[in-house]
Order: sequence, then structure tokens, then C-alpha cells
Amino acid sequence: RKEVEQDPGPFNVPEGATVAFNCTYSNSASQSFFWYRQDCRKEPKLLMSVYSSGNEDGRFTAQLNRASQYISLLIRDSKLSDSATYLCVVNQAGTALIFGKGTTLSVSS
Amino acid sequence: GAVVSQHPSWVICKSGTSVKIECRSLDFQATTMFWYRQFPKQSLMLMATSNEGSKATYEQGVEKDKFLINHASLTLSTLTVTSAHPEDSSFYICSASPGQLNQPQHFGDGTRLSIL
Repeated sequence: RKEVEQDPGPFNVPEGATVAFNCTYSNSASQSFFWYRQDCRKEPKLLMSVYSSGNEDGRFTAQLNRASQYISLLIRDSKLSDSATYLCVVNQAGTALIFGKGTTLSVSS
Repeated sequence: GAVVSQHPSWVICKSGTSVKIECRSLDFQATTMFWYRQFPKQSLMLMATSNEGSKATYEQGVEKDKFLINHASLTLSTLTVTSAHPEDSSFYICSASPGQLNQPQHFGDGTRLSIL
């Protein structure tokens, strides 16, 4: 079983749509959880950290369920500029990040 | 905010050449830096953990004699791909964290290595 699993997509949605990405992780000792965004041929950039209580940043909402080892990202009112690959990332204290393969989102007008 | 600089951003060279990639933390000290590799349409995969003042820790399947890592100071780690071959062509990215535990890491811009 892979450490971090994501649906690779692609998700093709129209502008204004709401889209949700899911992610599961296998290591119950994981302590930190993040969503990164990676544009084509670029380095990953932190989108948001994910907290057990759930957190929101504008149009983006992240949820964490430790019991189910499940993480989600919800994007509301999709913009063309949201088109990218979204990486689910976990790590334990002081260790390297473990990346999912990413979910590709394509937003069209 | 924390910045990680990586250089060069693009390298094209002949097979058999050794290539050095630098990763610098510009406004913070990093006792630990990480080197990742990403092949097309694949996820980032950790290659090694670079520790200041000690030997790097390599992931399984990564040849330490081929991918030489030096972390001589708290702000600089280098990755040298020795005698590079076409199969080494990839996107190499370093990362470091300025904070304590559980802080998100910041990435360099990445180096796109193409071996002809």
C-alpha cells in the first residue's frame, strides 16, 4: 500500500464549479498534513496546512480525519488559475515530506 | 518569508558529465535539507536527507556514490550527480524548513537536468 494515495484525475470542471479532492495516508504516526500546488514543470508551493479542526482559506477548505487517515481539499468557485496538480503531503516530526502522486485539475471557461 | 534558492535551474550536458546542484537557505539556517527527484508525470520522491556536518541519509535504491551530497554549512547543501547518464534526466528539487517540528518546508525552484 502506498503511503499517500490520491485520485490522479484529471478533474475537468467549468469555471465556478466546486471540486473536492481526497487523500488517504497509511502511516498513523503522521503528524503534519499539507496540500501543495504544483504547476507544470515548476516546484511545489504550499497551498495550506491541514488541521484536525478543519481550516479554510478563501475558496479553499481542508479537512483531516485522523481516525480514518483521510484528508480532503474543497475548492469553491473554481477559477481558470486554479488549474494545476494538487499534492497531498504528510510527514512525521523532523522527517522529509511524503507526497501523493497528485490530482490534476483543469478548469475551463 | 523563508526562501530557498536552488541553482542552476536548467542543465543540459553530455553523458558522463558530473553536475553539481546547489541549494541555499537565504534567510534561515537549516541543519537538515531534503533532496527530491521527480520524473515526468510522477510524484516527488525523496532521494536523501542532507545533514549539516554529517553524512547524508539515502533512501533505498538511491546510490550514494552516484549522488554525492555535501552539507558543509547551515545554509548550503549540494547534490552532485556523478557521471550522469540519460536515465538521470529528471527534475531535482531541494527543500528545507526554517522552523521547528511540523513546519511546512520550502522548496527551491528545482533543477531540470537533461543528459544527452
